[in-house]
Amino acid sequence: SQQGEEDPQALSIQEGENATMNCSYKTSINNLQWYRQNSGRGLVHLILIRSNEREKHSGRLRVTLDTSKKSSSLLITASRAADTASYFCATDNDMRFGAGTRLTVKP
Amino acid sequence: DAGVIQSPRHEVTEMGQEVTLRCKPISGHNSLFWYRQTMMRGLELLIYFNNNVPIDDSGMPEDRFSAKMPNASFSTLKIQPSEPRDSAVYFCASSLGGVRVQALHFGNGTRLTVT
Repeated sequence: SQQGEEDPQALSIQEGENATMNCSYKTSINNLQWYRQNSGRGLVHLILIRSNEREKHSGRLRVTLDTSKKSSSLLITASRAADTASYFCATDNDMRFGAGTRLTVKP
Repeated sequence: DAGVIQSPRHEVTEMGQEVTLRCKPISGHNSLFWYRQTMMRGLELLIYFNNNVPIDDSGMPEDRFSAKMPNASFSTLKIQPSEPRDSAVYFCASSLGGVRVQALHFGNGTRLTVT
């Protein structure tokens, strides 16, 4: 079974709103990674956060990591229609993916 | 950098035929992963190589599936004989790093249809 499990399974928001999705994992890690997948394409790496980091930013993306709770969150601020995609997390010691969060941003 | 290159992009074959999917990782990357994605089962890790050596093949569904990495720049995933339930998109990904994986770079996938 995979380490990373994303929730919610689906999220629908209006353009300009923020989107938050969560990831839980089971065992200790060195890093956790978030990916985006547009329909029919390969996953694209978004951001990697190491176990000694609590928060990381990249453009409109903000990732947090709570190793005590074995969880991470991905926040997309000021969402755009182009952010519509599925989002996945994976941990470095497993690299298995959950079902992902399907984000729909309505224009 | 050309990225991870997979071939063919699409493959349609009849049940019982042998299918070979190919992957060229990014130059310098020492880890390579094969995944399979379907609506029903999501994205499944099939096998993971590090420095051309299979590290984890627990995701390979059955003996009909085999994967090789004869050198650092080429890997194959073979299905023999193929079955309709093997229909899926197969992705190859590569990364730097050893046991602790760094960011994965995915190819565009091979869409396999077995009739």
